[in-house]
Amino acid sequence: EAQLVESGGGLVQPGGSLRLSCAASGFTFSSFWMSWVRQAPGKGLEWVANLKGDRSDMYSADSVKGRFTISRDNAKNSLYLQINSLRAEDTAVYYCARHRIVGSIWGADAFDIWGLGTMVTVSS
Amino acid sequence: DIQMTQSPSSVFASVGDRVTITCRASQDISSWLAWYQQKPGKAPKLLIYDASTLQSGVPSRFSGSGSGTDFTLTITSLQPEDFATYYCQQANSFPRTFGQGTKVEI
Repeated sequence: EAQLVESGGGLVQPGGSLRLSCAASGFTFSSFWMSWVRQAPGKGLEWVANLKGDRSDMYSADSVKGRFTISRDNAKNSLYLQINSLRAEDTAVYYCARHRIVGSIWGADAFDIWGLGTMVTVSS
Repeated sequence: DIQMTQSPSSVFASVGDRVTITCRASQDISSWLAWYQQKPGKAPKLLIYDASTLQSGVPSRFSGSGSGTDFTLTITSLQPEDFATYYCQQANSFPRTFGQGTKVEI
């Protein structure tokens, strides 16, 4: 069974940094694009960034460009999100999610596997 | 960016009711739309992709329709486990964007 498990969240001061991790199992991790999606408390879903299986292509939301960096280690079946210069508005549950089509993010794309999420709280 | 607007923001319904949620895109997204269900404290769950294709394992009381800019999610004969928040999401371009959510309440 395909599964994603996030870790690395916590309480951090404004301006601080965190590295989130997502451990994948039950599928060929290197074949899939992967995304991070976040959800502020009581709010809706916001897509953050994604990365192709071979790390050759990526996209990110304007709100995080220059501060967040997505990466992956296919040998460890892991996805990462380095988040720097944290702001109060970055407080959210961060989910990793799999794009459903092997090797593609176009056409009938959607996020078919989600982790349970990891909470990031930015506060002094 | 493509804006996704859902209506209503919340709906009160009873077990057995038929519920319809609409989602409008700010520009043509063909059929590249997905629907998710989210329960409190849980991750979203994919229900429908490509506007009308049911994800494996999702009950047939869920259905989706539409193309271009206007889409609907219909739940026929609402079950107790269907009380949740529903989101649409466009898969036409980046950044991927979601609707603001529709809460289905008793």
